[in-house]
Amino acid sequence: GAVVSQHPSRVICKSGTSVKIECRSLDFQATTMFWYRQFPKQSLMLMATSNEGSKATYEQGVEKDKFLINHASLTLSTLTVTSAHPEDSSFYICSAPSSGEQFFGPGTRLTVL
Amino acid sequence: RKEVEQDPGPFNVPEGATVAFNCTYSNSASQSFFWYRQDCRKEPKLLMSVYSSGNEDGRFTAQLNRASQYISLLIRDSKLSDSATYLCVVNGGGNTPLVFGKGTRLSVIA
Repeated sequence: GAVVSQHPSRVICKSGTSVKIECRSLDFQATTMFWYRQFPKQSLMLMATSNEGSKATYEQGVEKDKFLINHASLTLSTLTVTSAHPEDSSFYICSAPSSGEQFFGPGTRLTVL
Repeated sequence: RKEVEQDPGPFNVPEGATVAFNCTYSNSASQSFFWYRQDCRKEPKLLMSVYSSGNEDGRFTAQLNRASQYISLLIRDSKLSDSATYLCVVNGGGNTPLVFGKGTRLSVIA
């Protein structure tokens, strides 16, 4: 199947700093990618849809100015958590569709101290 | 009402047991249905798609009832390696995002 990578896999940062997470489709092109967030013992919740060549669409309750999404190319989407706070600590996962199936990145575990 | 609801867990079963998970979804326009498996601190991985006619993959059987908006997963002859969280997932088809249930944790005990 198709492969999606994420980087970094784990990041620990101080409160107030910004963190960038990259999501890459390695062997296919993705005009759309999805960013999810998962808190402990909770389900994956869609944060936003990343669209190549246009603005991302955000789910209700997700601050677009805090979670900046840039779909720079057909194989790369980035999520930047700006001015991170401890409540932003979570597991962030991206996915990209290919041939009717969704492929997930391995996730990025963010811990904000 | 949540879009996708699943059995509350956890399910603790002995090896060799048969276990069933249930799921309901609220969006009648949903087109695709899946069961994903998620191991602790890992990303979800597709276990199987679910078709209206029902489908089987080894020890795993999935059923879909569109009229009732109900999905099920049956695991026979449980193995220790089946221990994970099972996520019921639906989407509207095409490049639309997936909608996840909260997941049901399964622990298979020796």
